[in-house]
Amino acid sequence: AQSVTQLDSQVPVFEEAPVELRCNYSSSVSVYLFWYVQYPNQGLQLLLKYLSGSTLVKGINGFEAEFNKSQTSFHLRKPSVHISDTAEYFCAVSEVGGADGLTFGKGTHLIIQP
Amino acid sequence: NAGVTQTPKFQVLKTGQSMTLQCAQDMNHEYMSWYRQDPGMGLRLIHYSVGAGITDQGEVPNGYNVSRSTTEDFPLRLLSAAPSQTSVYFCASSYSNEGGGYTFGSGTRLTVV
Repeated sequence: AQSVTQLDSQVPVFEEAPVELRCNYSSSVSVYLFWYVQYPNQGLQLLLKYLSGSTLVKGINGFEAEFNKSQTSFHLRKPSVHISDTAEYFCAVSEVGGADGLTFGKGTHLIIQP
Repeated sequence: NAGVTQTPKFQVLKTGQSMTLQCAQDMNHEYMSWYRQDPGMGLRLIHYSVGAGITDQGEVPNGYNVSRSTTEDFPLRLLSAAPSQTSVYFCASSYSNEGGGYTFGSGTRLTVV
């Protein structure tokens, strides 16, 4: 079984400032890693994913994440946020070779302040 | 492509009523799953399917049934609704569990009174 911990339930950031949303995971087997974004009253949209290879992954809307196996982390970053980035962000994992879908963290609400 | 379509978008039920949440995908995905989203809890897996005729339980299956008679459809049935099942329900599909990433529907907001 896997678990995902998102250390911050809310992160307030000023517009045009950088942001980092933290995610740590626990698993006894190899996993794939994902970040999803949920805008108000909408479904989830895939931001980026780590499957293998380069540990720095670039996604949509200027976001990137770095996989750190020794620290079992997959933190999400953006160098300059915009008001439109206000949303809920979810980190998730799935087991390599498994079949039982995604295990999610509890989410981080990114609040962009003008 | 429509992607993953969920109906209805909103539903109010009385305690004890039953209903079916519909989920359909047109991407020929083998993997489908149902999640519920509650404030501060993230998304939790209810049931999943790896293909037509094959289903299994997730983290929170009690009070829900599923079936998968076709690749396209994966309905979720509430047998006897309870207030604890008030939640937002998401259906998702993927062509495999090998890191393809899941496509999510827009959700069904269910209130049980």
